Amino acid sequence: GENVEQHPSTLSVQEGDSAVIKCTYSDSASNYFPWYKQELGKGPQLIIDIRSNVGEKKDQRIAVTLNKTAKHFSLHITETQPEDSAVYFCAASTNFGNEKLTFGTGTRLTIIP
Amino acid sequence: KAGVTQTPRYLIKTRGQQVTLSCSPISGHRSVSWYQQTPGQGLQFLFEYFSETQRNKGNFPGRFSGRQFSNSRSEMNVSTLELGDSALYLCASSLASGFSGNTIYFGEGSWLTVV
Repeated sequence: GENVEQHPSTLSVQEGDSAVIKCTYSDSASNYFPWYKQELGKGPQLIIDIRSNVGEKKDQRIAVTLNKTAKHFSLHITETQPEDSAVYFCAASTNFGNEKLTFGTGTRLTIIP
Repeated sequence: KAGVTQTPRYLIKTRGQQVTLSCSPISGHRSVSWYQQTPGQGLQFLFEYFSETQRNKGNFPGRFSGRQFSNSRSEMNVSTLELGDSALYLCASSLASGFSGNTIYFGEGSWLTVV
């Protein structure tokens, strides 16, 4: 089955700097890669996603890049703000057969004011 | 518009008992999926229901089961509880079945402690 590895497990950056979180996946059939943000006491919230036919997607300060050959994808947050502090999860899924959403182990991002 | 509602929010059960958790999806959403979140295993997909039918399934034993009603509300049941079942159980809803390009909205979860 699919295996998603996520690094780093914790990340601290100064407010205003950029943060990068990386994930690798094992199943070459995976074609959908969402990123979720989970704040304390809340459920995860989708912040951005990318499909395998796209190499990069951007939404304001957040961007995701995908390298299908290397089977890795990354989340980039620019101009970080204190409210970006949370746990971030990457995930991977296929869109045929028994669809499963496989999550990475999470990255606790702390923005230092 | 109300979000995904899960009940109960917190519960404590004894080993060997069974538990039923409830999830009310966002109005108009027909898909409900369930997840287990633990510090050790992270966030894991349990199963997904759409139009009262289980469409997709994760790698959990048969003690974990679910169902969906005609109004799209869903329940999950865990029988013969084990200490390792202590976790945050999250429910999510979406308009369509599956995950590819289909935004899923999570509830705040039900915290289950097994003693």
